[in-house]
Amino acid sequence: AQSVTQPDIHITVSEGASLELRCNYSYGATPYLFWYVQSPGQGLQLLLKYFSGDTLVQGIKGFEAEFKRSQSSFNLRKPSVHWSDAAEYFCAVATGNQFYFGTGTSLTVIP
Amino acid sequence: DTEVTQTPKHLVMGMTNKKSLKCEQHMGHRAMYWYKQKAKKPPELMFVYSYEKLSINESVPSRFSPECPNSSLLNLHLHALQPEDSALYLCASSLQLGSYEQYFGPGTRLTVT
Repeated sequence: AQSVTQPDIHITVSEGASLELRCNYSYGATPYLFWYVQSPGQGLQLLLKYFSGDTLVQGIKGFEAEFKRSQSSFNLRKPSVHWSDAAEYFCAVATGNQFYFGTGTSLTVIP
Repeated sequence: DTEVTQTPKHLVMGMTNKKSLKCEQHMGHRAMYWYKQKAKKPPELMFVYSYEKLSINESVPSRFSPECPNSSLLNLHLHALQPEDSALYLCASSLQLGSYEQYFGPGTRLTVT
């Protein structure tokens, strides 16, 4: 069965620390991959996407993600977290006409 | 302009009311989506329109009725809802149906009393 897994339900980091959010998928072919961020009560904002080419993609707000085919992963990273990064993060996968979201990772940033 | 707008922002309705949610985009996208999102959960797909035709209905109860009057507008008509329908309703659009990024509106927070 096709699936998107975000193993970490909740992560807490200190402001200024580095961040990595994990995402794994299971599909036969290389899907299109996305990371979205959602602040409380808001819609989802696209952070970055991977379709093909360079496996390290840069996004908005200083985020980047690396596609690793061998690990079926698309992890999101940021070198230095800001308090405003506290939010819910969703990994998503598109294949054919289907669009699948992971279960989300809630990020708390402490001073 | 990568904006999807939704109105109203908040809606409280009784179980016998009829109301509508509205969504608009001017990006020339030909696919539009309705999602339902409960707290701390990912969005759940409800309906997909492609070129103004209903393409996907994820077995949504008939008390939810979508409508796509033109390529820029998407409505969701609500009638005889249940308290468990209270949620954040998100509209999204993409260039076409398929493996394209979706752009989301801010959502309508619906409370059914």
